[in-house]
Amino acid sequence: GAGVSQSPRYKVAKRGQDVALRCDPISGHVSLFWYQQALGQGPEFLTYFQNEAQLDKSGLPSDRFFAERPEGSVSTLKIQRTQQEDSAVYLCASSLTGSGNTIYFGEGSWLTVV
Amino acid sequence: RKEVEQDPGPFNVPEGATVAFNCTYSNSASQSFFWYRQDCRKEPKLLMSVYSSGNEDGRFTAQLNRASQYISLLIRDSKLSDSATYLCVVKSPASNTGKLIFGQGTTLQVKP
Repeated sequence: GAGVSQSPRYKVAKRGQDVALRCDPISGHVSLFWYQQALGQGPEFLTYFQNEAQLDKSGLPSDRFFAERPEGSVSTLKIQRTQQEDSAVYLCASSLTGSGNTIYFGEGSWLTVV
Repeated sequence: RKEVEQDPGPFNVPEGATVAFNCTYSNSASQSFFWYRQDCRKEPKLLMSVYSSGNEDGRFTAQLNRASQYISLLIRDSKLSDSATYLCVVKSPASNTGKLIFGQGTTLQVKP
């Protein structure tokens, strides 16, 4: 499809397990964002890429969280040694350029840590 | 204090009612403002941008008061299909990345 695609849509992880969440942005979109949305809350910014460069990772909650976008298209968010507080929806979004354009969200990856 | 604050609701209104949501933001340097809509278990989608002059899109009217750092959304003649969570969103002035800062969201339930 033409939208932002995320996988897996649902993931159940045991505490301590590592997980990897994938995002396929809209083709040609330069900017890519990751957000975390806990139940009943608004999305919280995690990190931002412009092409392959990670320009802002100020929202990553700990060093267990790592994101990459090596070729400037697909991005992966990795969470090491998952904890129960990591349970949330992880939303990926992309936009055509860095500053002015509409941001389009994927449907999210729903992570439950048990 | 959160950068963007909203009353989480829920707002329960009958069909045809007029309902207003409010939002405040803390950074006076913010320049761009939006309302997003999020349906249950779905991704946020842009509803409308918000300008100082106010803007209207059908039954929806958004207003910005920069002096009070206050944003509002008015929905007239509400429909069952308006039931959703409405997110007040501010573009971070601290970067040129387009990073968005979201409020907690206000839940609207329109009942027949």
